[in-house]
Amino acid sequence: GQQVMQIPQYQHVQEGEDFTTYCNSSTTLSNIQWYKQRPGGHPVFLIQLVKSGEVKKQKRLTFQFGEAKKNSSLHITATQTTDVGTYFCAGPNTGNQFYFGTGTSLTVIP
Amino acid sequence: NAGVTQTPKFRILKIGQSMTLQCTQDMNHNYMYWYRQDPGMGLKLIYYSVGAGITDKGEVPNGYNVSRSTTEDFPLRLELAAPSQTSVYFCASRAGTGFTFGSGTRLTVV
Repeated sequence: GQQVMQIPQYQHVQEGEDFTTYCNSSTTLSNIQWYKQRPGGHPVFLIQLVKSGEVKKQKRLTFQFGEAKKNSSLHITATQTTDVGTYFCAGPNTGNQFYFGTGTSLTVIP
Repeated sequence: NAGVTQTPKFRILKIGQSMTLQCTQDMNHNYMYWYRQDPGMGLKLIYYSVGAGITDKGEVPNGYNVSRSTTEDFPLRLELAAPSQTSVYFCASRAGTGFTFGSGTRLTVV
């Protein structure tokens, strides 16, 4: 079955440093979504990427979808303490099921 | 709009007891999902629905049942609770793109 893996599982950075999480799927995805979950909270939708090679930016966050549509990345420039949380990618299978990645937990040290 | 509302927020069950986790959304979304999230882990799909009267199994359906009699409501039933069902349960809905998640139900089975 489809698997969506994320690396790293954990990342500690000093405030102001950059952060990147990578998402890899065992199958080609029609689209990929990214979510942020604050500690004790629920996942919140950030963005959806659809096109091969697509790059989207949201302020300090840059999202990329791989050319083969099997991988994606989220890059945060100059992290802030408000960036703390777990970042998940999610992709659909051939039906309407969405599989979430294992998540990357980001800790920002002030 | 309230979005996705889940009740209860917390519950402690004894082994063998049953309960229903309630989920309702007011966004007229066709797609609704139940995920469980174990500590430090990603989200696993339990059941999903593409519309009223239609439900289907996800990755981890054993020990659970769902129904979708209306567009708004998607309750999750636990029969004969087991310690392995200790988790945080998230209900989510979506229209075309990203999920809107409820705030979750934290369930402990003792």
